[in-house]
Amino acid sequence: DTAVSQTPKYLVTQMGNDKSIKCEQNLGHDTMYWYKQDSKKFLKIMFSYNNKELIINETVPNRFSPKSPDKAHLNLHINSLELGDSAVYFCASSLDSGRAQFFGPGTRLTVL
Amino acid sequence: SQQGEEDPQALSIQEGENATMNCSYKTSINNLQWYRQNSGRGLVHLILIRSNEREKHSGRLRVTLDTSKKSSSLLITASRAADTASYFCATDPYGNNRLAFGKGNQVVVIP
Repeated sequence: DTAVSQTPKYLVTQMGNDKSIKCEQNLGHDTMYWYKQDSKKFLKIMFSYNNKELIINETVPNRFSPKSPDKAHLNLHINSLELGDSAVYFCASSLDSGRAQFFGPGTRLTVL
Repeated sequence: SQQGEEDPQALSIQEGENATMNCSYKTSINNLQWYRQNSGRGLVHLILIRSNEREKHSGRLRVTLDTSKKSSSLLITASRAADTASYFCATDPYGNNRLAFGKGNQVVVIP
């Protein structure tokens, strides 16, 4: 009965590879997000979707492409992985704007 | 510039003591939120305080907001070992959930 789940929890891959991270929420929320947390714990928003529509797209390389097949799922695909992509990626969801966000457990991505 | 910057000091206290941490921000806000992150886990929402509120309580947590000074504080009373975590403030300037997080404040509660 995890509210926001992500898979995989750990991802180790070589530079240049393409990988995906999946996120699902069973809270009935309308809005979902992707965040990146670097090694210094700084957390920065990457994308936000509301009812499958992209509403926030921060300055993120276009190697990162979010996809929302339905409002309960928001996946993150990363092409041509680089060393600097190593971080923990968190998915989150909220009921609507101006509300608390519920975070998933995170996916630790290591690019070698 | 980064919104929501906590005082950078790490805090180490004895169980039962109170812990206070501060957050300052640079622009106007719709609301400010506090989150906790235990080591290796996701963030957990603690409290949301709106710009027209000055104080809010939730269990052992007390949050204050001073919009004139663009600052907020989080007080944890009667701390427990389980309160050991990083605490983040996040501002939402426009109420559209584009949260800007601070750098986090590490709190260690010694049993």
